[in-house]
Amino acid sequence: EDQVTQSPEALRLQEGESSSLNCSYTVSGLRGLFWYRQDPGKGPEFLFTLYSAGEEKEKERLKATLTKKESFLHITAPKPEDSATYLCAVQSAGGTSYGKLTFGQGTILTVHP
Amino acid sequence: GAGVSQTPSNKVTEKGKYVELRCDPISGHTALYWYRQSLGQGPEFLIYFQGTGAADDSGLPNDRFFAVRPEGSVSTLKIQRTERGDSAVYLCASSISPDTGELFFGEGSRLTVL
Repeated sequence: EDQVTQSPEALRLQEGESSSLNCSYTVSGLRGLFWYRQDPGKGPEFLFTLYSAGEEKEKERLKATLTKKESFLHITAPKPEDSATYLCAVQSAGGTSYGKLTFGQGTILTVHP
Repeated sequence: GAGVSQTPSNKVTEKGKYVELRCDPISGHTALYWYRQSLGQGPEFLIYFQGTGAADDSGLPNDRFFAVRPEGSVSTLKIQRTERGDSAVYLCASSISPDTGELFFGEGSRLTVL
């Protein structure tokens, strides 16, 4: 059974204080690893897809990296508007579609001005 | 529409009642998914439609849950004999094809079973 564990559960940063969120996973053949952002009362919003170890993707202040066991979401010089819950998800090989994802419980990020 | 639309946004019902939740996906998106999210947890897969057919319903928790997509667009998630444990946010997502994990989620329907 695919499993995704995210840490920490909650992270409080000062504006400009860089940090990383961790996503550890076990999957029977990784097809893709996904990062989503979720604001309160909203549905998740897609950020990145990573397919193989060593791959990196960047978007504004966010950079996602992937190893064989975990993924990191690095946040550089965060701003208060980066406050949200960040969700990691995996899709295993042999699944019926890319959209059948196993999500972690999320990391709640709060950035104080 | 511009995004995935879900109705109702909130539903309060009594234990044992029947509930229907509706999802209107992004126009042209052939793949449609239902997920369920409990407080403090990530979304949990329920069912996947490609066109009109349910290609994977392995996440439906039991036979009280059923979903349809009769014309390949709008989908309805149906829950019979609701239980307090069914309380959660039910999220619908769509994608342009099943070959991508880039899902577009609606804002969800919050179901509360008293």
